[in-house]
Amino acid sequence: AQSVTQPDIHITVSEGASLELRCNYSYGATPYLFWYVQSPGQGLQLLLKYFSGDTLVQGIKGFEAEFKRSQSSFNLRKPSVHWSDAAEYFCAVGPLNRDDKIIFGKGTRLHILP
Amino acid sequence: SAVISQKPSRDICQRGTSLTIQCQVDSQVTMMFWYRQQPGQSLTLIATANQGSEATYESGFVIDKFPISRPNLTFSTLTVSNMSPEDSSIYLCSVGFGGNTEAFFGQGTRLTVV
Repeated sequence: AQSVTQPDIHITVSEGASLELRCNYSYGATPYLFWYVQSPGQGLQLLLKYFSGDTLVQGIKGFEAEFKRSQSSFNLRKPSVHWSDAAEYFCAVGPLNRDDKIIFGKGTRLHILP
Repeated sequence: SAVISQKPSRDICQRGTSLTIQCQVDSQVTMMFWYRQQPGQSLTLIATANQGSEATYESGFVIDKFPISRPNLTFSTLTVSNMSPEDSSIYLCSVGFGGNTEAFFGQGTRLTVV
C-alpha cells in the first residue's frame, strides 16, 4: 500500500540550529516526492520536489532534501532555522499520472525556540 | 503552475445548514481535488472532481454529504451539507497536472460549525 510516514509529530529546535525532518515512504514505483509547508492560517506551499536526477534537491527558503532510495527516505534539512520557519511540514508522494492523488504524511510541527 | 482562489476563506455556520465553497483556477485543469484537514491533522482527500463526470469519492465520504460540482475546466464547488460540529475543519481545493508536477493548493476555507 502507498503510504508516507513522518515519525516526528513535533520537533523543537533553537533559532540558528540545524534541522532535519524525517520522511519515509512506501510506493509501488519510482516516487515523485514533495515537501510542503503550512504556516498558521495559511494554505500549503511547495518547498521542494524530487522527480529524478540529482538526489539532493534544493528548495525555497534555504531548505534541501535528499532522496535515498535504499532507505525509502526523503528527509528535509535546513542548516540554520529562523523563527519564521515555525510551521507544519508535510511530506508527500505522487502523482504518477493524471488520475493519481497525492498522498500526504501526517505532518511534523516545527517549534522554534528564541 | 496554477493560482487557485478559494472562497470563502472562513465561515462560522449553524449546525444543520450547508455551506458551498468555491474554487477558481487561473488555468484549465483536468482534475481538481478537495481535501479536508481536521484540527491538528493531516490532509484527507474527500474526492476527485473531473470535468464532465461525477466526482469520485474516497472511502468515508459520500456525495449526499459532500456534493461537488465541476461545470468547467477552471471551477469547482464543494458543499458541506447538514453540518455538525464534527465538520469543523479546513477545506482545501487542489489541482495537479499529472506526471512530474506538484499539486497546487488554494488558501483553504476554515469552517467552524456551532
